[in-house]
Amino acid sequence: KQEVTQIPAALSVPEGENLVLNCSFTDSAIYNLQWFRQDPGKGLTSLLLIQSSQREQTSGRLNASLDKSSGRSTLYIAASQPGDSATYLCAVVDYGGATNKLIFGTGTLLAVQP
Amino acid sequence: KAGVTQTPRYLIKTRGQQVTLSCSPISGHRSVSWYQQTPGQGLQFLFEYFSETQRNKGNFPGRFSGRQFSNSRSEMNVSTLELGDSALYLCASSLESMGGRYFGPGTRLTVT
Repeated sequence: KQEVTQIPAALSVPEGENLVLNCSFTDSAIYNLQWFRQDPGKGLTSLLLIQSSQREQTSGRLNASLDKSSGRSTLYIAASQPGDSATYLCAVVDYGGATNKLIFGTGTLLAVQP
Repeated sequence: KAGVTQTPRYLIKTRGQQVTLSCSPISGHRSVSWYQQTPGQGLQFLFEYFSETQRNKGNFPGRFSGRQFSNSRSEMNVSTLELGDSALYLCASSLESMGGRYFGPGTRLTVT
């Protein structure tokens, strides 16, 4: 059974700092991995989608990497800003699984202090 | 392109009532899935529809049901509401069943 873990559960950094969020999954047979952010009481905003054949994806100040063999993904945020404060979630879709559902991690609550 | 829309955004219902939530996916997307989010359980998968067929169902009681129409719009229904059904219900659409998911703003359901 696929399990997704995110460390740390919460992180507080001063504005301008570069930071890394971690995501681990137990079964490397994934179809893709997606990073989301969620603001309080709101829906999920897709940040980056990495297909299983890819190693990384970049969008602006965000860079996500994927290492299937070790079951890990990282989300790198450069030059953090107070507007980056949110909960960050990673989720995987199992390859060829019967469920085709997103399996979410528990999230990292990020606070960027001005 | 317009994003995923969900209506209504907020609902207050009484125990025992039923409720219907609606989701309109991104134009051209044929897969719609539903998730329940609560502080205690996090994000839990309810079901997925693709071209009007239910592909998968999560571990929820039969009170939770859904359907998808020919225009890919989807509805989910919860009958005989319980206090524990209070949650944020999120709908996600994707181009195909294994593709990236794009979520709507959610419907906040409160059961009193």
